Amino acid sequence: GAGVSQSPSNKVTEKGKDVELRCDPISGHTALYWYRQSLGQGLEFLIYFQGNSAPDKSGLPSDRFSAERTGGSVSTLTIQRTQQEDSAVYLCASSLLSHEQFFGPGTRLTVL
Amino acid sequence: AQSVAQPEDQVNVAEGNPLTVKCTYSVSGNPYLFWYVQYPNRGLQFLLKYITGDNLVKGSYGFEAEFNKSQTSFHLKKPSALVSDSALYFCAVIGDTDKLIFGTGTRLQVFP
Repeated sequence: GAGVSQSPSNKVTEKGKDVELRCDPISGHTALYWYRQSLGQGLEFLIYFQGNSAPDKSGLPSDRFSAERTGGSVSTLTIQRTQQEDSAVYLCASSLLSHEQFFGPGTRLTVL
Repeated sequence: AQSVAQPEDQVNVAEGNPLTVKCTYSVSGNPYLFWYVQYPNRGLQFLLKYITGDNLVKGSYGFEAEFNKSQTSFHLKKPSALVSDSALYFCAVIGDTDKLIFGTGTRLQVFP
């Protein structure tokens, strides 16, 4: 069956521009997660959606970062006024329970 | 607070030799433990998990991990390494919250 998909796979933008990253989770998965992986670093938790509950935004690094999940399915991570330190691979994962997360291929963001 | 430690940034092993990638954790309750693998330019793939039951967990690609409660460890092992096992390995834990907390990753290099 279809896995988690993310688009675009690569995004190059100029400093100060806004970007939107999309995640399509596995159908029926109630939980959706965003992580950031900087070059040579581990995974940094950003935000977590579970069903209709209020999202856990505790990992968002600044107020330039926000995320939505519409209709309990597709999610968009928005970064406003991008900075060079935002350059990273942004990974999305979904799960039915919190135990096993299925990851998408990621979006590689480069801020020039 | 929950945390995961992977004390080795890199592990080198000869093909055909056994391999171990170390992981220790800290949670206040019963841990749910996971190993993920990331091949170059690809997303994370689930390898195995420990929720409850037998301390020795078998997973994909011939990997296994042993849960040791007294040592708070969950080391990843494989009896005979393959060059194709070369990748970045992440240990992760769910404990106090629903969030999956990742270690910093260990790069496994298997040389012929």
